[in-house]
Amino acid sequence: GENVEQHPSTLSVQEGDSAVIKCTYSDSASNYFPWYKQELGKRPQLIIDIRSNVGEKKDQRIAVTLNKTAKHFSLHITETQPEDSAVYFCAPSGFNKFYFGSGTKLNVKP
Amino acid sequence: DSGVTQTPKHLITATGQRVTLRCSPRSGDLSVYWYQQSLDQGLQFLIQYYNGEERAKGNILERFSAQQFPDLHSELNLSSLELGDSALYFCASSVQKGSNYGYTFGSGTRLTVV
Repeated sequence: GENVEQHPSTLSVQEGDSAVIKCTYSDSASNYFPWYKQELGKRPQLIIDIRSNVGEKKDQRIAVTLNKTAKHFSLHITETQPEDSAVYFCAPSGFNKFYFGSGTKLNVKP
Repeated sequence: DSGVTQTPKHLITATGQRVTLRCSPRSGDLSVYWYQQSLDQGLQFLIQYYNGEERAKGNILERFSAQQFPDLHSELNLSSLELGDSALYFCASSVQKGSNYGYTFGSGTRLTVV
């Protein structure tokens, strides 16, 4: 199946700093690149996504950048807040591919 | 409320037993996906159904099975339960057939095997 890796596995930042999480994948047929946020004990929720014909997408404090040649995409969170503390998952998807990365635990210290 | 309904929310059962988890997809969604999330672990894809038919299989054990009914709700059956089956089981739904575009997750069923 798809080989999906996320780095780092844990990330601790000070409130107001930026956070970047990277996801690498192996399937060159992947064409949809979402990021999910999961708070403790809750369901994963889609926070941003990008299609393969776009290199970058921004939504307020979060952005996703895609490098299809290198097969990686990244989640960028600026001006982090304590409520950003959660586990973030990438889920690069091609046809009939439904695999998630192992997750990055983000801790934003007030 | 995401529109995806999972029942029950919590389930405690003994080793060797059999349980059924239920998922009702969001209105209009034809695909249902099942995921297993063990403590502090990622989301392991188990199986997908689309409009009543099995569409894709992931790391699903032979002791586990699923089906999707004509009204599009799905059930995940777990049998001969072991302690290691304790986990959060999520279902997700989407209108898509072949990708996870537009996934919406339910709130999950927490299974504890004792």
